Amino acid sequence: GAVVSQHPSWVICKSGTSVKIECRSLDFQATTMFWYRQFPKQSLMLMATSNEGSKATYEQGVEKDKFLINHASLTLSTLTVTSAHPEDSSFYICSVDYSTSKGHNTEAFFGQGTRLTVV
Amino acid sequence: TQLLEQSPQFLSIQEGENLTVYCNSSSVFSSLQWYRQEPGEGPVLLVTVVTGGEVKKLKRLTFQFGDARKDSSLHITAAQPGDTGLYLCAGGGNQGGKLIFGQGTELSVKP
Repeated sequence: GAVVSQHPSWVICKSGTSVKIECRSLDFQATTMFWYRQFPKQSLMLMATSNEGSKATYEQGVEKDKFLINHASLTLSTLTVTSAHPEDSSFYICSVDYSTSKGHNTEAFFGQGTRLTVV
Repeated sequence: TQLLEQSPQFLSIQEGENLTVYCNSSSVFSSLQWYRQEPGEGPVLLVTVVTGGEVKKLKRLTFQFGDARKDSSLHITAAQPGDTGLYLCAGGGNQGGKLIFGQGTELSVKP
C-alpha cells in the first residue's frame, strides 16, 4: 500500500481567514489524489479529484474558488479553504489513488484527516 | 449515478455476538473495498475483493463479493470492543480512480 501523511491534524482559524491542508504521498508517486469532507458519523463525501500538473476536477456543488486545490508534484497536493466560515468546519481527508498493475483494482489509501474548526 | 446502499447504518451489540454488514448496488463494480475508520483518523483499508463470489477472511472478519459483483457483505464473528468503529464499503473501477462509498456502518461493541 501507500503511506499518506496529512498535515495539520487539526486547525482552528478565525472566520474570514484561509487555511491550507497538505497531503503527502510518502512512498508512492501519486498522479491522482482525492479530497473528501466528512461529517460526524457519516460517510465520505468526495469534493474533488486532484491531478498532478493540471486543474482539479470538482464534484457538483463544490465551490472551486473556495476550495483551492494544487497538485504541483507527484507527492504533494494541497487544499486551501479560502475565507473560511463556521459552516466550513468539518473533517477533511485526502487519499491517494493506488490502482494496481492489473488496472482494475481502485484502492485508496488515506491520510489521517484534518479537523478544521472555524470560529 | 452509481450508488452503494450500506446497511445497517448503526449497530450496537454485546461482546461475543456476530454481525453482518451489507452493501448493495444496482451497478456492477470491478472491485469493492472495505475500510474501517476510528474517530479522528482516516479510513484504513481492510480488504479488496475483485472476483464474483470471492470470499476473503481476515481473522474474525469474512468478506464476500456477490456473484454478479453488485453486492458485498462483511461478517464479524465473536465481536470484540476493539472492533468498534465506522465501517465503509467502497466500489471502484467504473469511474477512473474514483470510489463510490456506502453510507457507512457505525458499530459499537460493548464489553
